[in-house]
Amino acid sequence: ETVLTQSPGTLSLSQGQRATLSCRASQFVTSNHLAWYQQRPGQAPRLLIYGASIRATGIPDRFSGSGSGTDFTLIINRLEPEDFAEYYCQQYGNSPWTFGQGTRVEI
Amino acid sequence: QVQLQESGPGLVKPLETLSVTCSVSGGSVRSISYYWSWIRQPPGKGLEWIGYIDYNGNANYNPSLKSRVTMSADTSKNQLSLTLSSVTAADTAVYYCTRDPVMCADGRCFVGYFDPWGQGTLVTVSS
Repeated sequence: ETVLTQSPGTLSLSQGQRATLSCRASQFVTSNHLAWYQQRPGQAPRLLIYGASIRATGIPDRFSGSGSGTDFTLIINRLEPEDFAEYYCQQYGNSPWTFGQGTRVEI
Repeated sequence: QVQLQESGPGLVKPLETLSVTCSVSGGSVRSISYYWSWIRQPPGKGLEWIGYIDYNGNANYNPSLKSRVTMSADTSKNQLSLTLSSVTAADTAVYYCTRDPVMCADGRCFVGYFDPWGQGTLVTVSS
């Protein structure tokens, strides 16, 4: 299966700063089928990005995704208080679909 | 706007069968535009895709759980069901159901991201 490794494990930043999250796949992710999710404490995950770079409906443009092949990045510009959460990448190019272990963005 | 609502037993004894239901409102489980997945998350840990069921009732399971998992859809109730047999403490988790959009481009269709998610139901395996 495709193993996704996210880095860093924890990102400590301040409101207004930029967060750069990395997701590296153990093998090529077909058709850039890579998604990002946000999970706030006590809540279900929420889709942010799919197709590596396409923002989901209602997601602010301060969230952007990029990358291809095995290396993908999520950037959050101008961190807002509600952005401090756990973030997961997920690939759906290779079966079985798999998630990264998560990156926590904390104040 | 589709909403997903999971329900489950809360507590299951080791070696018994876990059963969780997902009620879908604002959309149909028979829609050809979507598949439906189950995903779980042990307390304080990451996410694991369990499998999906499509609009024809065909299922695809994660090989890690395939021998113990069954997914089904009740179109009359617009509900999805997940059963997991011979459970152990390692199966303790929040179980989520999700809708998986079918996307088509250039004559090819694919599925695999999850939007939206239900709020999840915690199932604890303990004697």
